[in-house]
Amino acid sequence: EIVLTQSPGTLSLYPGERATLSCRANQTINSDYLAWFQQKPGQAPRLLIYDASSRAAGVPDRFSGSGSGTDFTLTINRLAPEDFAVYYCQQYGISFTFGPGTTVDIQ
Amino acid sequence: EAQLEESGGGLVQPGGSLRLSCAASGFTFSRHIMNWVRQAPGKGLEWISYINGDGSTTYYADSVKGRFIISRDNDKDALYLQMNTVRDDDTAIYYCVRGLFGSGSRPRFDYWGQGILVSVSS
Repeated sequence: EIVLTQSPGTLSLYPGERATLSCRANQTINSDYLAWFQQKPGQAPRLLIYDASSRAAGVPDRFSGSGSGTDFTLTINRLAPEDFAVYYCQQYGISFTFGPGTTVDIQ
Repeated sequence: EAQLEESGGGLVQPGGSLRLSCAASGFTFSRHIMNWVRQAPGKGLEWISYINGDGSTTYYADSVKGRFIISRDNDKDALYLQMNTVRDDDTAIYYCVRGLFGSGSRPRFDYWGQGILVSVSS
């Protein structure tokens, strides 16, 4: 089973700052089948990034994904008030597993 | 735009059964693989089941294998999850999730329903 680890657990930032979230896998993820989701309280997760670096439809370009193999990063440039949420990475290369999440909250 | 709406949740006793439904609209349902993903209260996301477009192939997480059954009715644009022998740790919000194949061979999870709460308690 591919296990995903996310760091940090919580990231406290001010609006306008840059957020850098990490997702690490215990084995190589085939073809970089890695996605990022955003979840706000009381809402369903929303797909932000797929295939490690492709933005989903309608996602602002301040969100970007990078990485390959076992190490992946979600970067949010110039945090907007609506970006404070929980972010999950997910691999879909072998079965499907999610990371434990990173909470981005307002400093 | 694709829409997914779950129903059938509620309170069920340990050892009991419950059937969740998901009504799909806004897309050609039969062309998409579908999944169920759950989230225990205050916890993270757990994929639990997958079904292909014609219903001939299904997969399950070990946590539900042998107890839950995923199925679909493409004439009704509906996805189902039959939950049997439920346990306390099945308490969660259950999401119906569409899978979309891009240029590769693996589907990304692109549309999610709002979720339905299942509570297992005596």
